[in-house]
Amino acid sequence: EVQLVESGGGLVQPGGSLRLSCAASGFTFSDYWMHWVRQAPGKGLVWVSRIYSDGTNTIYADSVKGRFTISRDNAKNTLSLRMNSLRADDTAVYYCVRDSSYTPDYWGQGTLVTVSS
Amino acid sequence: QSALTQPASVSGSPGQSITISCTGTSSDVGNYNRVSWYQQHPGQAPKLMIYEDTKRPSGVSGRFSGSKSGNTASLTISGLQAEDEADYYCCSYTTSSTWVFGGGTKVTVL
Repeated sequence: EVQLVESGGGLVQPGGSLRLSCAASGFTFSDYWMHWVRQAPGKGLVWVSRIYSDGTNTIYADSVKGRFTISRDNAKNTLSLRMNSLRADDTAVYYCVRDSSYTPDYWGQGTLVTVSS
Repeated sequence: QSALTQPASVSGSPGQSITISCTGTSSDVGNYNRVSWYQQHPGQAPKLMIYEDTKRPSGVSGRFSGSKSGNTASLTISGLQAEDEADYYCCSYTTSSTWVFGGGTKVTVL
């Protein structure tokens, strides 16, 4: 059974940093591109970032470019998102999502990031 | 990349059919057979209902179907049931090698 379990969310002050993690199991993690997608409270889904299966290529939404860094450790089946210079509009549930042939197929349960003073 | 356009809400009575539209551009919906649809109940993660425009994952009810014409994709729910009440999102792969989502449609079963 495919499982994606996010962790690392919490309350952080504006300008602060946070690192999210996603533990993957039930599939060959190193075979898949992985993404982060976020959802602000009461709002829709927004794509954030993607990383190739071997970690050689990454891409970001304009809204987080230069502040967020996606990475992965295929030996530990873990996806990460380092978030710096956090702003109030970064407040959201962050989902770890598997990419199957350019389709988001499996989603984690999400971890809530709240940016507030 | 602008969000795909979905109606904010759609409603129907039990047993009826409803259709949710999802309009994009030639850089996303119209360029690939990679439109997918998601059902999201409050407090839960999105669940894949349709992928590659028209395909249904195993375990998803046959009452859900997808179609596409040009830059507009559609999700149809037949025989509407109370459990179908949820938010629905479309998603497309884009020429920028990213995903773009629709703004979401709230489905209400009357």
